Amino acid sequence: GQQVMQIPQYQHVQEGEDFTTYCNSSTTLSNIQWYKQRPGGHPVFLIQLVKSGEVKKQKRLTFQFGEAKKNSSLHITATQTTDVGTYFCAGRIQGAQKLVFGQGTRLTINP
Amino acid sequence: KAGVTQTPRYLIKTRGQQVTLSCSPISGHRSVSWYQQTPGQGLQFLFEYFSETQRNKGNFPGRFSGRQFSNSRSEMNVSTLELGDSALYLCASSLGLAGRTGELFFGEGSRLTVL
Repeated sequence: GQQVMQIPQYQHVQEGEDFTTYCNSSTTLSNIQWYKQRPGGHPVFLIQLVKSGEVKKQKRLTFQFGEAKKNSSLHITATQTTDVGTYFCAGRIQGAQKLVFGQGTRLTINP
Repeated sequence: KAGVTQTPRYLIKTRGQQVTLSCSPISGHRSVSWYQQTPGQGLQFLFEYFSETQRNKGNFPGRFSGRQFSNSRSEMNVSTLELGDSALYLCASSLGLAGRTGELFFGEGSRLTVL
């Protein structure tokens, strides 16, 4: 079926190190969204990317949407303990009617 | 404005029983989507309702069903519970169809334990 693959599944970093998670789809996406779920919490929307090659920044977070609209990445510069959580991408397959979530990347940080 | 409200927050059932979970979306939101979350499995899509109609359905057995009322509140039902149904069930509301009109707003979830 239509899937959105996300890697890595887990990432452990030292505080201050950078972190990147990647999302890949075998089919073209109309848009892609990113969510963060803190431990014990619920997913919270971070951003939506729509245009090919789009790059958006939120403070230390940089989001990219690939030129072919089949992949996306989230990069965090100089991680802080508040960045701990699971990051999910969610893509809307072109022509389909549903939002497909990646498996998520769980980020843990050593202070 | 009030967020997405899910009830109950926690519940324990035994195998073979059935369960009904409720979700009240943000006022004005017409779409409600349901997800199952288990450790290591991410967010598995169950179904989406928009204007009282099921618009999308995930790959879950017929034991999982749902409905949406005219006030956009939604319920999901799981019959003949199995141990593997133990999970956090999340609902999310949006103005329009999920992923088309912007962000999803998630509730806190209903944590179901099946013994």
